[in-house]
This record gives sequence, C-alpha cells and structure tokens, in this order.
Amino acid sequence: TQLLEQSPQFLSIQEGENLTVYCNSSSVFSSLQWYRQEPGEGPVLLVTVVTGGEVKKLKRLTFQFGDARKDSSLHITAAQPGDTGLYLCAGAKGSTLGRLYFGRGTQLTVWP
Amino acid sequence: DSGVTQTPKHLITATGQRVTLRCSPRSGDLSVYWYQQSLDQGLQFLIQYYNGEERAKGNILERFSAQQFPDLHSELNLSSLELGDSALYFCASSVDSGGTGSPLHFGNGTRLTVT
Repeated sequence: TQLLEQSPQFLSIQEGENLTVYCNSSSVFSSLQWYRQEPGEGPVLLVTVVTGGEVKKLKRLTFQFGDARKDSSLHITAAQPGDTGLYLCAGAKGSTLGRLYFGRGTQLTVWP
Repeated sequence: DSGVTQTPKHLITATGQRVTLRCSPRSGDLSVYWYQQSLDQGLQFLIQYYNGEERAKGNILERFSAQQFPDLHSELNLSSLELGDSALYFCASSVDSGGTGSPLHFGNGTRLTVT
C-alpha cells in the first residue's frame, strides 16, 4: 500500500491550459517534496514544503502543503510542452530519517 | 547533472544470477539511498547508508544487500535474481542523514532486466 496517493495518474492537455495534481495521505509528514522525472533520468527536486498551509511558487508552478500536513497539491498555470514529465510527490517522516515515501506519480503530457 | 553517478546504465542477466550496481554520490554528500522503481509499485525505498553505516532499511529483500565504502561510494548486490526483480534501480545522495527534508539528488539509474 502507498502512503501517498497521487491523482490523476495520467493527464494529457493542450498548451496553455491549467492543471492541478493532488497528493493525499492519511499520515502526517514532517515535510513534502515534489520531483519531476523525465525518461531515462532520475527524479529532480522541484520544491520542499515544510509548514502546514505553506504555499511556494516556482514560476508557473504553485505548490501547497495542507494545513494538517497530510496532503499537497501542484498547480501549473499555462502549461507548456516543456512541462511534460512524471511528477512525483514524496513525504518525509521525522521518525524514519532520510527515507522518503513516494507517490506513484502523475504522468503529464502537454501537446503543442 | 545531479553529480550522482550510477553504473552500469543497463544490465541484462538471467534468473538465478547475481549482479552488482555501483553508485558514486555527489561530492560532499554523506548519505546514499537505494530505490527501486517499477511500473506497478513506483519508487520504493530499499536502504540508506550514512557515512559508511546502515541508517535505515525499507522493503529490501534478503537476497539483496548493500554497503557503503570509506570513499562513500556504494554498491547494491542483487542475488538469486528473479523475473520480478526487473526494474530501474536508483541511487540518491544527500548531505546529511535525512529527516529534515534534505533534498535527494538522484542518479540516472540502472535498468536491470532479468530474463
């Protein structure tokens, strides 16, 4: 069983559309990270959120950590073909040191 | 480039065999993590080493073992291989022992195919 459930699993949209990816759990995390992975490569960190209710922006990407630190969302405004990739959320629990619990990912395809 | 180097990039072997995957962490990072990525399970944590010592253990099979050497590179040994062991194996490194939300820097993985 996955501690973190991501939805949707697949997302196929046109350039210029907005989208939101969700990452949900019944567990509390000390921090949550979002990674992006492209074919043939390892995941690359996009952002880390630590405080409940925290919102972080990275250009057209907005990340939010839920107030109870159990869930998170990633919103992309005006998606571009370069945003195509596998988006992974990963939670850290202070009790398990460096271990990250990953969601299964959302495969985003943005068509020109 | 994450600075984490994994070799080999691809590995094809037969059931029952044993293989060794190698990882060199980013310069200055003391922790090394091994993850397995498969289509049905996603990224699953296997094991973490910090400065040569085992720090955390996840869903690692008894047929699998790992170690971190004094120069901080790490090896993941997979033995008595089964078809179900076919997956991408990622190594990641971080500067500290983790738990603080320290970012992980991932290598590009080793794709293992067991036939």
